[in-house]
Amino acid sequence: SAVISQKPSRDICQRGTSLTIQCQVDSQVTMMFWYRQQPGQSLTLIATANQGSEATYESGFVIDKFPISRPNLTFSTLTVSNMSPEDSSIYLCSILGGAGSNTGELFFGEGSRLTVL
Amino acid sequence: AQSVAQPEDQVNVAEGNPLTVKCTYSVSGNPYLFWYVQYPNRGLQFLLKYITGDNLVKGSYGFEAEFNKSQTSFHLKKPSALVSDSALYFCAVRSLGTGGGNKLTFGTGTQLKVEL
Repeated sequence: SAVISQKPSRDICQRGTSLTIQCQVDSQVTMMFWYRQQPGQSLTLIATANQGSEATYESGFVIDKFPISRPNLTFSTLTVSNMSPEDSSIYLCSILGGAGSNTGELFFGEGSRLTVL
Repeated sequence: AQSVAQPEDQVNVAEGNPLTVKCTYSVSGNPYLFWYVQYPNRGLQFLLKYITGDNLVKGSYGFEAEFNKSQTSFHLKKPSALVSDSALYFCAVRSLGTGGGNKLTFGTGTQLKVEL
């Protein structure tokens, strides 16, 4: 399986600031996915990032709050903008295994744990 | 819309005993079902999946899961639990029939605690 590296692994941020999370994959992938895991809760898909096109956001998530870049087939960034304590979560980057088929499982990075004060 | 239910927030098992972590799902098309494990301060690790074929699927670390279409369930099992199995387990479903495409819907997670 691919190696997915996320930076930072954790950070403590001040209210009103923005933070960019990086996701690097050691192989080329068409789609990359960004998930949020709020404390004690399940994973929620934020958006799907395809190289060369705008990210597709899920209901409840908007580009102004969570801008995403996908400059090439191995890299993506997620920015959490104008942070509030409610944004304290683990943010996870993932890719689709199984050669990108719909039967493929997701592989996840280690996550970026953000705490907003 | 597709959904997943994990009815137990926590499951406690003695080491060496069999374990079961329950999962039921709701989809409008054929389900693709997955189990993941999350250790503290780590990302999610894939355990196993059911796509089609044999209802009993085997995965990593000695885990297996049984797909039951009539009960819309996909329970995770292991014949003999280890203390090192203690972690958070997530069930997930994907169904193309709902137009969900590649979207994976996760359950709320079940904390497994294996004690000596």
